[in-house]
Amino acid sequence: KAGVTQTPRYLIKTRGQQVTLSCSPISGHRSVSWYQQTPGQGLQFLFEYFSETQRNKGNFPGRFSGRQFSNSRSEMNVSTLELGDSALYLCASSSGAQGYNEQFFGPGTRLTVL
Amino acid sequence: EDKVVQSPLSLVVHEGDTVTLNCSYEVTNFRSLLWYKQEKKAPTFLFMLTSSGIEKKSGRLSSILDKKELFSILNITATQTGDSAIYLCALRYNFNKFYFGSGTKLNVKP
Repeated sequence: KAGVTQTPRYLIKTRGQQVTLSCSPISGHRSVSWYQQTPGQGLQFLFEYFSETQRNKGNFPGRFSGRQFSNSRSEMNVSTLELGDSALYLCASSSGAQGYNEQFFGPGTRLTVL
Repeated sequence: EDKVVQSPLSLVVHEGDTVTLNCSYEVTNFRSLLWYKQEKKAPTFLFMLTSSGIEKKSGRLSSILDKKELFSILNITATQTGDSAIYLCALRYNFNKFYFGSGTKLNVKP
């Protein structure tokens, strides 16, 4: 079974630009969560999508948004990029069923904002 | 904001040593506490703890949760260089909402 894939793996943008990151979950998984990881703040939860609906949300500004498609693939968009948005963005997929089901993480997208 | 604090932030040991990593938190309305190992990019799942006082073991790794004192520990015995990684703990709320600590960076020297 193929794992979680994220594209692109590396990205360089300048301040003010916008960026879209993509995550393809494990086949059959309906839940996709997004995280931002920085050395200072650790791993922070952005949001979770399940069946094309945002089910959970962390404490990030509105510049961070996401969506999920009918095939469970998810995209995350960051508008008006700031230097502080430089981070590793991880997505994780799980079956999303009631109760706990293990999350499997993708390799991440390293975003650098200049 | 909910807080998950891990200590120490980093640790250097030699092969064969035993290490104890700590995770303390300030809230009580979570469903479970999880431990992950992050070697390069993608964290991988180690343990999920739901009940207080019940130890979970997997080989040389073990973990326990103390809901009264609001902490969890992850023990690694007879450490190996392959244990070098960042160890993350996280609180899980409803469905897949997680709050992670900043992690403990473990470096095991030969």
